[in-house]
Amino acid sequence: DTAVSQTPKYLVTQMGNDKSIKCEQNLGHDTMYWYKQDSKKFLKIMFSYNNKELIINETVPNRFSPKSPDKAHLNLHINSLELGDSAVYFCASSQEGAGTFGSGTRLTVV
Amino acid sequence: AQSVAQPEDQVNVAEGNPLTVKCTYSVSGNPYLFWYVQYPNRGLQFLLKYITGDNLVKGSYGFEAEFNKSQTSFHLKKPSALVSDSALYFCAVRDIGSSNTGKLIFGQGTTLQVKP
Repeated sequence: DTAVSQTPKYLVTQMGNDKSIKCEQNLGHDTMYWYKQDSKKFLKIMFSYNNKELIINETVPNRFSPKSPDKAHLNLHINSLELGDSAVYFCASSQEGAGTFGSGTRLTVV
Repeated sequence: AQSVAQPEDQVNVAEGNPLTVKCTYSVSGNPYLFWYVQYPNRGLQFLLKYITGDNLVKGSYGFEAEFNKSQTSFHLKKPSALVSDSALYFCAVRDIGSSNTGKLIFGQGTTLQVKP
């Protein structure tokens, strides 16, 4: 009965690799988001999709490409991973009120 | 541009004492304000929100927050702290700009440490 689920929970990979993080919500929300939490715990929006349409792209490198096959899913694909991409990535969804967050994916690039 | 500030990196309280975690905001128009809590190695959990109505908002786990328009503040409070309240707390404001994307703008977070 998880509301927003993202996989994997942990991801360790080498520089230069390409990886994907998946997110699914079963709340029926129209809008989904990706947030990045850096090593200092700062949280910042990366992308947002509303009904499969991109509505926010916050100056994120184009190595990051979100994909929304339907309004319940928002996946994040990252090409040519760099050390600085190491962070916790949170998926979230919302309708009109507060956002509901997934449990996060801790990405470590070595 | 809308922004949120949490002036304290860390707040320390003794168990049983009241706690306050501070938040101030800067918005154009009426603010939509939120508090979230993050336990170690966990996701963000929603605590409470202010959209409109009573200035005192009650939320989960006995937390409440007071919206003060004149001071542009939305401090999180609890009358009696528990050791299990120790976590990282985020204040956030919802973007209600022209695009109304619903994105959240977060403060930098405050670590609450409750000691027995």
